Order: sequence, then C-alpha cells, then structure tokens
Amino acid sequence: QKEVEQNSGPLSVPEGAIASLNCTYSDRGSQSFFWYRQYSGKSPELIMFIYSNGDKEDGRFTAQLNKASQYVSLLIRDSQPSDSATYLCAVRRGGSYIPTFGRGTSLIVHP
Amino acid sequence: DTAVSQTPKYLVTQMGNDKSIKCEQNLGHDTMYWYKQDSKKFLKIMFSYNNKELIINETVPNRFSPKSPDKAHLNLHINSLELGDSAVYFCASSPGTIHEQYFGPGTRLTVT
Repeated sequence: QKEVEQNSGPLSVPEGAIASLNCTYSDRGSQSFFWYRQYSGKSPELIMFIYSNGDKEDGRFTAQLNKASQYVSLLIRDSQPSDSATYLCAVRRGGSYIPTFGRGTSLIVHP
Repeated sequence: DTAVSQTPKYLVTQMGNDKSIKCEQNLGHDTMYWYKQDSKKFLKIMFSYNNKELIINETVPNRFSPKSPDKAHLNLHINSLELGDSAVYFCASSPGTIHEQYFGPGTRLTVT
C-alpha cells in the first residue's frame, strides 16, 4: 500500500516566521514529489516540485528531499497571512500515471 | 485562457437522478484525471485517462463512468445519484508520468 503521510495540523506560525511542512512516503520507487497549495473553496495549485535529493528554492519556498529517509519537506520563509491554506504533498512512482496524495496540512499564519 | 475548465461549477440534484460534469483542458496534455474531495478534504483519485484510454480505474462504484471524446476532454457521468456522492469533483491534467498536475476549479455536487 503506497502511503503519503502528513500531519493534519493546524500548524500555526506568526507572520514573518518560517513555516515547516513535512511529508513522508512509503514507496521507495517514488521518483517525483510535489507540493500543492489549496485555499478553502479553491482547487489545488502547484507551488513546488522536486525530483532530486537536496534543496530546491523558489522565492520564499524551499522544497527539501531526502530519498534515503523517505521524506520531503516544504519551508516557507517570511510567512504571510496569505500563505494560510492547506498544503498537499503528492508523490509519483516512476512510470506511473497516478500520484499519491497526502491528506494535507493546514497552515495558519497569524498577524 | 483557462488551462483546465469544468462545468458546471455547482450542481444540486436529487437522489436517483443522473448527471454529468464536463472537463476540458487546452494544455495539450496526454493524461486527464477525475478526483473526488469529500468533506474531510481528502483528494481521492477516481479515474485517469491517457490518450483517450482508461488506464487506471480505482474502486469506485460503476454508477460513475468517465467518457473521453478526445484528448482534450474528459467528462464524468454519474447514474442514480446517492447522498454520499455529495463532494467536490476536480478534473486535472498532466503532461506525463513524472510531471505535475493542473487542476480545474472544481464542481461542487450536492445530492438532496
């Protein structure tokens, strides 16, 4: 059973702090890793993807992948109230058309 | 231009009715999906279509049937609607097997 685990939260951080979101996965054949943001009442939107071990930075967002430990994380620097949303981790096995989603972590950034 | 579009945005209907939700993508992607997101917000894959062929059919009731007239469209038809079918249904598309997905705006289905 392929699983992707996320802490449901909510994770509450003050404005300007670093928010750290974590995700673990069970399938060692996983090849690509994604973070989606979903605002309440809206559809998921891609914010980051990562394929290789290490860090990938895009603006205030950094994705970190450790395949040996089977976890992927998302750091949000200088968190803003507009970052308040549910963050979904998704994992795809090489050659698979079907990604596996976690249940999401709710992030609240308070002023 | 909207990349992935769905119609209708809201759908309210009674138990036992049959309804369809339409999805179109203008991204040129080969693979399209239907997801169901229930009140607990879990995103559950229902179907995936690649080049008009059903490649994965998760364990959903056979009252649900995907139909793809061409690569850019994937419609979802639901027969004999039940209360438990109430959810938000998202269409998505993807360019390949390791790539990200692009989601439509969702269709909120309410069965009364």
